[in-house]
Amino acid sequence: AQSVTQPDIHITVSEGASLELRCNYSYGATPYLFWYVQSPGQGLQLLLKYFSGDTLVQGIKGFEAEFKRSQSSFNLRKPSVHWSDAAEYFCAVGEFMNRDDKIIFGKGTRLHILP
Amino acid sequence: DGGITQSPKYLFRKEGQNVTLSCEQNLNHDAMYWYRQDPGQGLRLIYYSQIVNDFQKGDIAEGYSVSREKKESFPLTVTSAQKNPTAFYLCASSIAGDLRETQYFGPGTRLLVL
Repeated sequence: AQSVTQPDIHITVSEGASLELRCNYSYGATPYLFWYVQSPGQGLQLLLKYFSGDTLVQGIKGFEAEFKRSQSSFNLRKPSVHWSDAAEYFCAVGEFMNRDDKIIFGKGTRLHILP
Repeated sequence: DGGITQSPKYLFRKEGQNVTLSCEQNLNHDAMYWYRQDPGQGLRLIYYSQIVNDFQKGDIAEGYSVSREKKESFPLTVTSAQKNPTAFYLCASSIAGDLRETQYFGPGTRLLVL
């Protein structure tokens, strides 16, 4: 069965510093990968997704993610964080093999920003 | 403005009571979804509907029921059979019933048991 692991429950970075949030997946075939962001008490917003092609994916709000098959990873990056980036981030993997399509979400990484 | 609305924002349930969470969208999307989110956990799919008058169980459908009589609306009922209903409930929609399509989420309803 497929699974998603986000090793870091909390991450704290200073405003203006670079950011990398880790995501590892377990899936036999080429996965469909997503990153979502959730502000406190709100719904989720899609940051970016990867299905195929260029392994470096650009998303909204200045985020990017790189798919590395050899490492089963899809880490999210941002060169310079802003205080408004403080939120919870979810990595997800999709299985679309048959009628039983599903998306599996990781448990999330909460990002804290120091002024 | 187009979007997804969920009401109420907070809902309290007494033991043995059924409660219904509302989800409405004006995005003209065919597919709608209900997720449950617990602290420190990812989202888990409860039910989804790819088209009006049709819906399928997700991973944790026990103790929940849904209906999809209108394209715009996908209410979720938390029944008394759901023994641990306290959670944050998120509704989402997408253009079509393909999970590769971007899902747009509502602001959520927090359900608390008294």
